[in-house]
Amino acid sequence: EAQVTQNPRYLITVTGKKLTVTCSQNMNHEYMSWYRQDPGLGLRQIYYSMNVEVTDKGDVPEGYKVSRKEKRNFPLILESPSPNQTSLYFCASSLRGDTGANVLTFGAGSRLTVL
Amino acid sequence: AQKVTQAQTEISVVEKEDVTLDCVYETRDTTYYLFWYKQPPSGELVFLIRRNSFDEQNEISGRYSWNFQKSTSSFNFTITASQVVDSAVYFCALSEMNYGGSQGNLIFGKGTKLSVKP
Repeated sequence: EAQVTQNPRYLITVTGKKLTVTCSQNMNHEYMSWYRQDPGLGLRQIYYSMNVEVTDKGDVPEGYKVSRKEKRNFPLILESPSPNQTSLYFCASSLRGDTGANVLTFGAGSRLTVL
Repeated sequence: AQKVTQAQTEISVVEKEDVTLDCVYETRDTTYYLFWYKQPPSGELVFLIRRNSFDEQNEISGRYSWNFQKSTSSFNFTITASQVVDSAVYFCALSEMNYGGSQGNLIFGKGTKLSVKP
C-alpha cells in the first residue's frame, strides 16, 4: 500500500531531550515536507526537501533540523525541544516538488508534547 | 504574497442540511492550484480535490461540489444532505504553479470545523 509512515505517533518528552520523528514513504516520491498543526493556525511548513541531499526551510524552521540522505526517509530532529514545540506534526510527500500541481500524501501525524 | 482565508472557524448543522464552506485566496500568480483536504476526528489528512486556475468549471462528486470563481478569488465547498460522517475539519490550500526551486509549499487556510449532528 502506498503510504507515508511516521513514528512515533504519540510522544511525551521533557524540555531539552533530543528527539527524532521518523518519516518514510514507499512511493519513490522526490518531494517531502514537514508541517506542524496548531489550533487556530492551520498547517505551517517547517522544512521541505526537493530531493536527496536537497533541503530548505519552510515558514517555521526554528528549533528543527532535517536530513535527506535517502529518497524514502526524511526525519525531523528536535535537538533541544521546548514546550512551544508541542504540536501535531505531519510528514508529506509528492511525486515532484517543482510544480504546485502535485498532490501531497500525508502521514497519519505525530502528536508531540514537550513538558 | 499567497494567503488562504477560511472565515468560518466552526459550523454546526443538523444531518441532511446542506452546508457551504468558504475559501478565499490571494496570489500574485496567474497560474496556481487550489486544494481541499479533510481531517476527520481520527486526525489524518485526506485529499479531496485539486483545481487549476484555468479550469473554472464547477465539479461535483456525489454529495460534494466545488464552486471556483476566479473573479472573487473563491473556491467554496458544498456538502449536500450532510451526514454525521462528514464531521471533520476541512482545509483549503493554495500552491503556485512554478516554484522555481525557491520554495515548494502548499499554503493552508486555518480550517473550518464542521459538526454534523444527528
